[in-house]
Amino acid sequence: GAGVSQTPSNKVTEKGKYVELRCDPISGHTALYWYRQSLGQGPEFLIYFQGTGAADDSGLPNDRFFAVRPEGSVSTLKIQRTERGDSAVYLCASAETGGLETQYFGPGTRLLVL
Amino acid sequence: KNEVEQSPQNLTAQEGEFITINCSYSVGISALHWLQQHPGGGIVSLFMLSSGKKKHGRLIATINIQEKHSSLHITASHPRDSAVYICDNFGNEKLTFGTGTRLTIIP
Repeated sequence: GAGVSQTPSNKVTEKGKYVELRCDPISGHTALYWYRQSLGQGPEFLIYFQGTGAADDSGLPNDRFFAVRPEGSVSTLKIQRTERGDSAVYLCASAETGGLETQYFGPGTRLLVL
Repeated sequence: KNEVEQSPQNLTAQEGEFITINCSYSVGISALHWLQQHPGGGIVSLFMLSSGKKKHGRLIATINIQEKHSSLHITASHPRDSAVYICDNFGNEKLTFGTGTRLTIIP
């Protein structure tokens, strides 16, 4: 069956530009997570959605980062005024209801800010 | 501060060996999450556990809440087990991941 998909798979942008990263979770999954993984590091939590609402956005590094999930399915992570330090793999995961259950990860979007 | 530490950072073993990867955390949790990251970058969720032990195939995860420690064991290791294994502190607090253990199984 279809898993979690993310687009684009790779994104190269210039410092100061705006980017949007998209995540399509598994159909019917109400929980959606965004993580960021820098080279050589473990994943870092960014934000967790339960349905349409952000249940926990404490991992967003600053106000340049914003994520939405308007209909409770697809989510978009938005980064304004990108900086070179934003370069990382952005991972999305979904889970059936959230809480103590398996998260299914997408392949990630590799973002490079020049 | 919520910290998660894994050991060893790198582990190389011969095929068939019993593998143990350790994870220690500093803040009480709701659950501990073990992940496997393949060389291509894909991540698979292995276990989420809040007490006791869980087993799936050749993988076993244990947790000791009092000692704030979890272990991931692999029995009869195989080259396809080569990956980075990551534990994370999953709960109401901000999730905190360890930096991972890079496991290489040599045929």
